[in-house]
Amino acid sequence: GAGVSQSPRYKVAKRGQDVALRCDPISGHVSLFWYQQALGQGPEFLTYFQNEAQLDKSGLPSDRFFAERPEGSVSTLKIQRTQQEDSAVYLCASSSSQGPQGISGNTIYFGEGSWLTVV
Amino acid sequence: GQNIDQPTEMTATEGAIVQINCTYQTSGFNGLFWYQQHAGEAPTFLSYNVLDGLEEKGRFSSFLSRSKGYSYLLLKELQMKDSASYLCAPYSSNTGKLIFGQGTTLQVKP
Repeated sequence: GAGVSQSPRYKVAKRGQDVALRCDPISGHVSLFWYQQALGQGPEFLTYFQNEAQLDKSGLPSDRFFAERPEGSVSTLKIQRTQQEDSAVYLCASSSSQGPQGISGNTIYFGEGSWLTVV
Repeated sequence: GQNIDQPTEMTATEGAIVQINCTYQTSGFNGLFWYQQHAGEAPTFLSYNVLDGLEEKGRFSSFLSRSKGYSYLLLKELQMKDSASYLCAPYSSNTGKLIFGQGTTLQVKP
């Protein structure tokens, strides 16, 4: 597609429920990032994929958070047993860069985000 | 590790010039991004500085001093639509991560 697409755009989950958030990156983009953004804050890094390999998951806040990108394209961020503190916008971004040395100024594109509210 | 500092809020008048500062401490620093984010929308790319100096792009300019760990975003001829959050994001080649500051919320008043 023309841009990074995320779904659902809005999700209300009951505490304890599992949720899955989907990201369709720009076609052909190698790198994919997930960020969590709380209200009034900057995005916080969660995890990074290069193709299907999850190279960095140091930002995942707990073992309830799990991300995958099995075929190196679409990615899913799964949150198990959601808690109220998980309420945030989850942003996906993709890049055409091949790795850390390949990044350049205009190749990181963000999706609109998935707004998660846990009640 | 990374430490990024930018003002939380700023207010300016339509037609004026505003400078948003950002200081950072980043291991493996390899450039700095500025993004604009309107409420409820995705961050959109504004600029990327790798070398020291000023990069101008229309009404927006971005400056970088690597030795001082300092950058600023300069917005000229402010318009009401410039009211948004501005995110400073140093890039680390060590980690391949883009790490964001808390953002500066700019309010442009008539």
